[in-house]
Amino acid sequence: SAVISQKPSRDICQRGTSLTIQCQVDSQVTMMFWYRQQPGQSLTLIATANQGSEATYESGFVIDKFPISRPNLTFSTLTVSNMSPEDSSIYLCSARTGGGGETQYFGPGTRLLVL
Amino acid sequence: AQSVAQPEDQVNVAEGNPLTVKCTYSVSGNPYLFWYVQYPNRGLQFLLKYITGDNLVKGSYGFEAEFNKSQTSFHLKKPSALVSDSALYFCAVRDPKTYKYIFGTGTRLKVLA
Repeated sequence: SAVISQKPSRDICQRGTSLTIQCQVDSQVTMMFWYRQQPGQSLTLIATANQGSEATYESGFVIDKFPISRPNLTFSTLTVSNMSPEDSSIYLCSARTGGGGETQYFGPGTRLLVL
Repeated sequence: AQSVAQPEDQVNVAEGNPLTVKCTYSVSGNPYLFWYVQYPNRGLQFLLKYITGDNLVKGSYGFEAEFNKSQTSFHLKKPSALVSDSALYFCAVRDPKTYKYIFGTGTRLKVLA
C-alpha cells in the first residue's frame, strides 16, 4: 500500500493568484495522478504526472493553467495558476504502486476556495 | 467506450440491516474493478478490488463485493450496516487500453440508527 500526504489541506485564495499543492508518497510509486472533485461529486482526472518528463493532460486541462512537476518517484506538485472562482474545488493526489499492483491510493485532498 | 454506472444517488438502510450499493460496468476484455469510500472532508479510501479469481471479494471494514460477469455488475455488500458506514462510495473500473481508472458518479450511503 501507499500512504499519501498533501499540503496544504485547505486554502482560501484571491482570484488571479496561484497555489502550489504538494503531494508526498511514503514509498516509490510507478504512477502519480492529479484529480479534481467538486464536493459530493465524482472525480475528474486532470493529468498523469510523469517522473522526469512533462505531465500528460486530459482533455480540457492545459499545462499553462495546471503546471505539474514530478522530480522523483515519491513527490509531485500541482499548481493552479491565475485562479478564478471556478477553480474552487478539491484537488486529490493519487498514486499507483508497481509490481503488478493495480490499486490506486489517494491523498486526503486539498480544499481550495477562490474568492 | 469503457464506463461504469452507479444507478443510485443515495441508499438508505437501517442499522443492522444488510446493505447493497450497486455498480455496473462496460469494458472490453477482463475488467479490473474497485470500490472506494470517501468520508466527509477526506480523500478516497480503498475498500476492495477484483482482478481475477473468486467472484466474491472481501475487503476492509467487513465489506465484500460480488463480481457477476453475465450481468456486468460488481455490487458492494455488507451483511450488517453500521451508522459509521455512512459515506460516499465510488465504484471504478480500469480502462484496459489506457490503464486509467474510470469512476462512477458515487452513491451516498446513509445508515439510520
